[in-house]
Amino acid sequence: DAKTTQPNSMESNEEEPVHLPCNHSTISGTDYIHWYRQLPSQGPEYVIHGLTSNVNNRMASLAIAEDRKSSTLILHRATLRDAAVYYCILSYGGATNKLIFGTGTLLAVQP
Amino acid sequence: DTGVSQNPRHKITKRGQNVTFRCDPISEHNRLYWYRQTLGQGPEFLTYFQNEAQLEKSRLLSDRFSAERPKGSFSTLEIQRTEQGDSAMYLCASSLEGGNNEKLFFGSGTQLSVL
Repeated sequence: DAKTTQPNSMESNEEEPVHLPCNHSTISGTDYIHWYRQLPSQGPEYVIHGLTSNVNNRMASLAIAEDRKSSTLILHRATLRDAAVYYCILSYGGATNKLIFGTGTLLAVQP
Repeated sequence: DTGVSQNPRHKITKRGQNVTFRCDPISEHNRLYWYRQTLGQGPEFLTYFQNEAQLEKSRLLSDRFSAERPKGSFSTLEIQRTEQGDSAMYLCASSLEGGNNEKLFFGSGTQLSVL
């Protein structure tokens, strides 16, 4: 299984951009990169995903390295509500979309 | 879209008792997943349904665990003869089949405490 490596924790200040890194050096050509986040006492929620090109949506941006061995989730202006555990996951492929979660990055946002 | 609903939110039981959790997925979603999460860890995959068929089970799912999804709608996860090690958050997710663009929608989970 292709695995991802993320820092255990990061800190940010409110209203500043946050760059959350993820390494996935064993990614295969057909693996998509997914990001989910989990707020306290809630289930994970989808943030963004991509294959090769950078992606933007209302929540975040995803920057994917040209060799696809790493990616960065960008929160343009962190708010206190963005404090959560962020998971970088490679799609398992095959007949299901079973997601294999690691331990993620715990993002703390300071006012 | 009312989201994925899980009941109960919390369950406290004594070791050796049986417990059952229910998950109501988003109505048009044909895929349903169960995960387990312990403190400080990411969710661990347990099992997966496509419609009413249980297509994959993790090795984590011992013989004491059974999941069903009759008629391809709601699902139940039963744990027989609970052990203290079963204490965890049990998460349900649903999705609409869509290959690698598929998004999973998670419920808020059922927190199980085995005394």
